[in-house]
Amino acid sequence: RKEVEQDPGPFNVPEGATVAFNCTYSNSASQSFFWYRQDCRKEPKLLMSVYSSGNEDGRFTAQLNRASQYISLLIRDSKLSDSATYLCVVNPTDSWGKLQFGAGTQVVVTP
Amino acid sequence: NAGVTQTPKFQVLKTGQSMTLQCAQDMNHEYMSWYRQDPGMGLRLIHYSVGAGITDQGEVPNGYNVSRSTTEDFPLRLLSAAPSQTSVYFCASRPGWEASGANVLTFGAGSRLTVL
Repeated sequence: RKEVEQDPGPFNVPEGATVAFNCTYSNSASQSFFWYRQDCRKEPKLLMSVYSSGNEDGRFTAQLNRASQYISLLIRDSKLSDSATYLCVVNPTDSWGKLQFGAGTQVVVTP
Repeated sequence: NAGVTQTPKFQVLKTGQSMTLQCAQDMNHEYMSWYRQDPGMGLRLIHYSVGAGITDQGEVPNGYNVSRSTTEDFPLRLLSAAPSQTSVYFCASRPGWEASGANVLTFGAGSRLTVL
């Protein structure tokens, strides 16, 4: 079983619509969580950290559910430029420096 | 401020050849790491370093060597390339744990390696 699992998608989303997807993690002791964005053939870049109480950054909302061990990302009012692969990243507290990456969820926003 | 610079961007090797992927950062980051990314899999950690002179193995270290003689540079060496090492390689760095943004990785642009 993978440490961090994501639905690979693709999630095909009409422009202006809302899309949400989850990421599950296996290590219940994990403390830090992040969403990275990766454009095709580019490097990953931090989209946002995920805080225990949930947090928003513009059209993006991240949630953490510790009881069920998943984090979620919701994108409102999708733009064509939101088309990318979204990587879930977890920092397990017992592995200094060894962030764990999901394989990513692909989002395709269509006109 | 260039961030994390990787070279080369593309490389084709024959089985058994050796090569070094270069990585340099100009942000005075303590932590540097190498990942490989393969289709359908998350980024997998190859080796990492928490400071000059200190390196450790990640999840998939076999077939790769690293060294960290300076804070800025963290080269990845393939001693005898195999087709299974065909992948996209990313170097990443971040500040030390006590610094602001310690959990945030900054990635290089990637190096696409094909081993025939």
